Amino acid sequence: DAKTTQPNSMESNEEEPVHLPCNHSTISGTDYIHWYRQLPSQGPEYVIHGLTSNVNNRMASLAIAEDRKSSTLILHRATLRDAAVYYCILRGYSGSARQLTFGSGTQLTVLP
Amino acid sequence: NAGVTQTPKFRVLKTGQSMTLLCAQDMNHEYMYWYRQDPGMGLRLIHYSVGEGTTAKGEVPDGYNVSRLKKQNFLLGLESAAPSQTSVYFCASTRQGYQPQHFGDGTRLSIL
Repeated sequence: DAKTTQPNSMESNEEEPVHLPCNHSTISGTDYIHWYRQLPSQGPEYVIHGLTSNVNNRMASLAIAEDRKSSTLILHRATLRDAAVYYCILRGYSGSARQLTFGSGTQLTVLP
Repeated sequence: NAGVTQTPKFRVLKTGQSMTLLCAQDMNHEYMYWYRQDPGMGLRLIHYSVGEGTTAKGEVPDGYNVSRLKKQNFLLGLESAAPSQTSVYFCASTRQGYQPQHFGDGTRLSIL
């Protein structure tokens, strides 16, 4: 799987939007962009995924650059509960197991 | 629904002891995975299974064995525990390989 690059840490104020960037310059045409987050002392939790078009769900939005070499996870109104490590993961369609390859992620701190 | 349940939640072992970690899922998922997470790092895949009776090696399989005798259960065994296996172990499952994975809350294992 191609690699991703994320900032080690970011801070946000409560109730403000948060934009978490991810660079993936070696992404292939069939790689999906997945985001997971890990709250303290919990297992990772699926957030959102997309291929080419921007995606929205109840948790977040995913904005994908036109050349697909970068993407941004958007939390529209950060809450204290959103403080977590956010992982950007590329997931191809090759291989039957399609396991997740985690990097070190971005530690998001939400300030009250 | 319980989702993915891991037992035990905590365990302390002495070097050379053996033990089995249990992962159970009630979502009728085909694919199951065992990951380990060391402090400050992302998760790394140990072993996985694409269906009942099947297992395969992941990125860091040495020192571990697995079994998937029943579809809902995936067992991770440590044959002879070593301090390097001190970690948090996460189990995950998914219906199909390309779909989001559901994680348990982890087993915190310390080996003295």
